[in-house]
Amino acid sequence: GAVVSQHPSRVICKSGTSVKIECRSLDFQATTMFWYRQFPKQSLMLMATSNEGSKATYEQGVEKDKFLINHASLTLSTLTVTSAHPEDSSFYICSATPPWDIQETQYFGPGTRLLVL
Amino acid sequence: GESVGLHLPTLSVQEGDNSIINCAYSNSASDYFIWYKQESGKGPQFIIDIRSNMDKRQGQRVTVLLNKTVKHLSLQIAATQPGDSAVYFCAETTGANSKLTFGKGITLSVRP
Repeated sequence: GAVVSQHPSRVICKSGTSVKIECRSLDFQATTMFWYRQFPKQSLMLMATSNEGSKATYEQGVEKDKFLINHASLTLSTLTVTSAHPEDSSFYICSATPPWDIQETQYFGPGTRLLVL
Repeated sequence: GESVGLHLPTLSVQEGDNSIINCAYSNSASDYFIWYKQESGKGPQFIIDIRSNMDKRQGQRVTVLLNKTVKHLSLQIAATQPGDSAVYFCAETTGANSKLTFGKGITLSVRP
């Protein structure tokens, strides 16, 4: 149990375009999902908390208008990088916690590698 | 600000030896700690966790030790195998909104 998937696994786009990344909980429903960004040789940095049916909560320094999050169902959250630039190139990872996990452990997706040319 | 850090950036061990990965945390309010393993190009994989009301927890080949007095967390891997080669992160949370704070990560390299 507790399988989280992401799509696509990698994407290359031109500067100025928008890219959508999907995060799905495959065997459980998640009212909350988390989006992280990881640059090479660095740790994971939390970008935002995605809340089903309500607005996402963004961490300090993360532009909400640039990183649009939609959590329209209990199994899907999407992250759209708008007007992407080369500095947005990174590894984007989502996580979720299954309702049966009383410890509230986060389980992570496989990540999406974004390269902006 | 509060941070979670690791003492060493890399660790090289001989296959079959035991590995010890250390982590220091500074938020005394943290009450839940997790070790994750991340292989190249993949998302973090849960290894083992521990609550602040415990000082030791054992898994199949892994043991996590928590010393709240000195705010220190360690991951011990017994009989290290080539498949254990990865980057290991400690993470902490106070439980509020389940937000995780990750340490910097340490690369474990297993020599055959």
